[in-house]
Amino acid sequence: GDSVTQMEGPVTLSEEAFLTINCTYTATGYPSLFWYVQYPGEGLQLLLKATKADDKGSNKGFEATYRKETTSFHLEKGSVQVSDSAVYFCALSEIGKSTFGDGTTLTVKP
Amino acid sequence: DGGITQSPKYLFRKEGQNVTLSCEQNLNHDAMYWYRQDPGQGLRLIYYSQIVNDFQKGDIAEGYSVSREKKESFPLTVTSAQKNPTAFYLCASSTLTSGGLNIQYFGAGTRLSVL
Repeated sequence: GDSVTQMEGPVTLSEEAFLTINCTYTATGYPSLFWYVQYPGEGLQLLLKATKADDKGSNKGFEATYRKETTSFHLEKGSVQVSDSAVYFCALSEIGKSTFGDGTTLTVKP
Repeated sequence: DGGITQSPKYLFRKEGQNVTLSCEQNLNHDAMYWYRQDPGQGLRLIYYSQIVNDFQKGDIAEGYSVSREKKESFPLTVTSAQKNPTAFYLCASSTLTSGGLNIQYFGAGTRLSVL
């Protein structure tokens, strides 16, 4: 079945540092790929998405590129802020269902 | 505003009691989902529904039940058979597309604790 593997956390960075959160996936077909973000005590919200190989999703300074050859969708941001502190989930979807990674907790210190 | 509303925000269950978590959406989405989230863990799918009056078990359906009598509503009942119900429960909805672009929209969650 489908699966998503994220780098283990937690990740702690200083403000303005570079962020990478690794994500690899296993799927039977050609899934769409997503990053969701969850702030404390809230539900998840979509951060960015990519629907086919070599697509780059971007939003709020975050980027991720759909790499079919390495089955990866790593999340990057060039300069993190304290307000980026949250849990980040990588996910894939095929028809009707989504599969989520375990989440990576990011803490950004001033 | 369109969105998903979960209620209550906090819920307490006594031993042997069934409790029902509410989930309502006004996004006109066909599909709805229930997930369980335990501390430091990812989301585990409990049940999902792609059409009114039909639903399928997810990975951890034991001890839970659902209904889908209206497109807008997908309540989850945590039964007394669920021996470890303490968790954060998230409801989500999405459109259904043939291409798999299944963006899920989440509610704010219900935190269930056992008294």
